[in-house]
Amino acid sequence: ETGVTQTPRHLVMGMTNKKSLKCEQHLGHNAMYWYKQSAKKPLELMFVYSLEERVENNSVPSRFSPECPNSSHLFLHLHTLQPEDSALYLCASSQDPGTGNVDTQYFGPGTRLTVL
Amino acid sequence: GQNIDQPTEMTATEGAIVQINCTYQTSGFNGLFWYQQHAGEAPTFLSYNVLDGLEEKGRFSSFLSRSKGYSYLLLKELQMKDSASYLCAALDSNYQLIWGAGTKLIIKP
Repeated sequence: ETGVTQTPRHLVMGMTNKKSLKCEQHLGHNAMYWYKQSAKKPLELMFVYSLEERVENNSVPSRFSPECPNSSHLFLHLHTLQPEDSALYLCASSQDPGTGNVDTQYFGPGTRLTVL
Repeated sequence: GQNIDQPTEMTATEGAIVQINCTYQTSGFNGLFWYQQHAGEAPTFLSYNVLDGLEEKGRFSSFLSRSKGYSYLLLKELQMKDSASYLCAALDSNYQLIWGAGTKLIIKP
């Protein structure tokens, strides 16, 4: 148990569906992240939020839409996804990412997404 | 470009020692992380090195050579529960993490 929870753990959706992934951190951290993990590929950073403000968006398609209502919760809204979006989506949190400090990230268990 | 290289898969025997290597090429360097990820679970933090040398934490040790752009994770007295993927990640000059693809470690009895 890392202090970061994600729901659902598994999700199967069609290309026309709309769904949301949820992440919650219980560590009192100020930053939260969404990553995409595909088999045999490096983790791909999708979004970074620091103190609820989005600070980075690594050119992610608009069919992925993040939301961070407070420093403990992070959502990833999904719509009109493609089969190639099937992957493990990991959420992480850290204390303070943006001021040149070394900052360890703590991960949730991920949501295994399958797009049919 | 920035790049992390680590072997895709390794096999070792229970009770033995295994060394997982990682080489990195980054724009600047602010340290290197190792994470462990069991199948279907969260990556969990193992170690962080920023100075040259070996740091030991129980059965796991991590080594860094900044001049060679090289790190390794050393696992001793292997147990079946050590079967997992091991992720190497370097922190560049902007404090961004550059990730490797991970090394899947298979432990055999």
